[in-house]
Amino acid sequence: GQQVMQIPQYQHVQEGEDFTTYCNSSTTLSNIQWYKQRPGGHPVFLIQLVKSGEVKKQKRLTFQFGEAKKNSSLHITATQTTDVGTYFCAGSSGAGSYQLTFGKGTKLSVIP
Amino acid sequence: GAGVSQSPRYKVTKRGQDVALRCDPISGHVSLYWYRQALGQGPEFLTYFNYEAQQDKSGLPNDRFSAERPEGSISTLTIQRTEQRDSAMYRCASSFGGHYGYTFGSGTRLTVV
Repeated sequence: GQQVMQIPQYQHVQEGEDFTTYCNSSTTLSNIQWYKQRPGGHPVFLIQLVKSGEVKKQKRLTFQFGEAKKNSSLHITATQTTDVGTYFCAGSSGAGSYQLTFGKGTKLSVIP
Repeated sequence: GAGVSQSPRYKVTKRGQDVALRCDPISGHVSLYWYRQALGQGPEFLTYFNYEAQQDKSGLPNDRFSAERPEGSISTLTIQRTEQRDSAMYRCASSFGGHYGYTFGSGTRLTVV
């Protein structure tokens, strides 16, 4: 079945440093979504990417979808303590089923 | 409602008992999803509905697990003859339909003792 892998599993950064997490799928995706889960919370939807090579920005966050629609990345510029949490990518292969397969997430810690 | 509501928040049950977990999605959301999340892991797909129709149940671990959404709104995930390995956070999410972002509920923490 479809697998979604994320690296790194953990990342510790000094406040103000940049952060990137990478997501790779074993199959071509119809779309990819990103979620953020704060400690003790539930996943919160951030964004969806649909087109090959798509790039979207939300303030300090930049999301990319690969040309082959099998990989994606999330980049945070100048991290802040409010960025702490686990970031999940989740992909759908479409083909009649819209359920998302989630990666294991990247847990971000920001040292003030 | 304003968000996805799940109940109970916490459930402790004895091995062998049946449990029913409830999810009340956002009004107007067509799709409803059940996921299970182990500590430190990503959500794992169980099943999903469009309206009242169960579209995909390929993630249900075995026949002790079942789900329904009889009127296309509230859904119940039932686990029969619970086992310790069923202990996890069970999360419900809803969306406007395929290819829309999910809104997750706060989850039900199930502990089987």
